[in-house]
Parts: sequence; structure tokens; C-alpha cells
Amino acid sequence: QVQLQQSGAELVKPGSSVKISCKASGYTFTSYDMHWIKQQPGNGLEWIGWIYPGNGNTKYNQKFNGKATLTADKSSSTAYMQLSSLTSEDSAVYFCARGTTDYYYPDYWGQGVMVTVSS
Amino acid sequence: DIQMTQSPSFLSASVGDRVTINCKASQNINKYLNWYQQKLGEAPKLLIYNTNNLQTGIPSRFSGSGSGTDYTLTISSLQPEDVATYFCLQHSSRPLTFGSGTKLEIK
Repeated sequence: QVQLQQSGAELVKPGSSVKISCKASGYTFTSYDMHWIKQQPGNGLEWIGWIYPGNGNTKYNQKFNGKATLTADKSSSTAYMQLSSLTSEDSAVYFCARGTTDYYYPDYWGQGVMVTVSS
Repeated sequence: DIQMTQSPSFLSASVGDRVTINCKASQNINKYLNWYQQKLGEAPKLLIYNTNNLQTGIPSRFSGSGSGTDYTLTISSLQPEDVATYFCLQHSSRPLTFGSGTKLEIK
């Protein structure tokens, strides 16, 4: 069965960077996009972008250009998202989610990673 | 970007009730509308894709309808395990955008 196992919660300082991971299993990692989504209480859900692990191609929500960098390691079936120049506005739960091959929407989601930015 | 307006924000209903949740897009999204369920502390789960297609394993009491800019999720007979937040997603164009969510509780 499809499983996406994300890394643990992070407490990071303003101005720093953080890299969170999403290990995929139960399907061919290189054949499906991986979406990343931000969830903040009161602000709902925001789509950050996606990466196609097969060739590393990425597509970002313009809002997250310069904030998020998506990468993927085919050898370990793991997708990564690095967030840089962190502020309190980046405190949120971040989800990875597999994208379907036909209509490119997220179907299976990881459990989420809580990132807290605080001094 | 396409804006998704979801209503209501909060809904309280009794077991066995018929429940409807709505999403309105700021432009035609050609039925590229999904519904997800998120229980407290859990990952979102896909319920309905492309307006009216039930994801595998989802109970048949869940259904979706709509076209153009207006879409509806219906739970035909509310069950206690349906307590969750529900949100819509349009995947007609990038960036993908979500509704603000509907928190569903049992009365």
C-alpha cells in the first residue's frame, strides 16, 4: 500500500533553514509527482509545488519561489523540501502528497511535519 | 489564482442527517474538483475526485456533484465517524487552491 513517512517535528530559529523529508513506499517513486502543501490554523491549506522524481522537474506556487526548494533522491525514494530564511509566518504543518498520473492532484498524503519557528 | 469559497465553515448535524457542503470557484474549473476529509491529527484523505468519482474504499454515503463554478459534497446519512474537517481542492489550473474547510460535528 502507498505510504509516505515524513520526518519529525522541527523547532528552528528565525532566519535559519530547515529540510524535511518524505519517504515513499508501496509504489514506483519515480513515476509520480510529489506535492507539498502548507497548513496553518486559520489560514487553511496552500499548495507549495511539486517535483517529478523521475527527472527532478519542479513546479512552484509563485508565492513560495525563493522560500521552498524541492528535491528528490531516487536511490532512497525520498522527497525533500527545504525552507529558507524562516520567519514566524513559516510556522505550520507541512504535508507531502503523491500526485496522480492523470490529473495531477494529490491522492495519498503523509502524516505531516510541524515546523515551529521561534527564538 | 482561482479562489475557492467554501461554506459553511462549521456544521453541526445529527446522526442520520443528510449533510451538504459547498465550494464555489472564482471561475469555471471544468469539474476538476476534489473533496478531502481530515480527522483531528491525521493526514487528509481523498474522498471524491473530479466532482463525482468516489475514491476506492470510501463509503457510498459520500457523493459529489456540480459543474462550472459550483460544487457540493453530500453525506447522505451522517455517521459518528464522519466527524472531521472537509475541504475542497481545485486542480483545474496551477497553483492548486483549496477551500477554507468545513468543520463537521455531531449534534
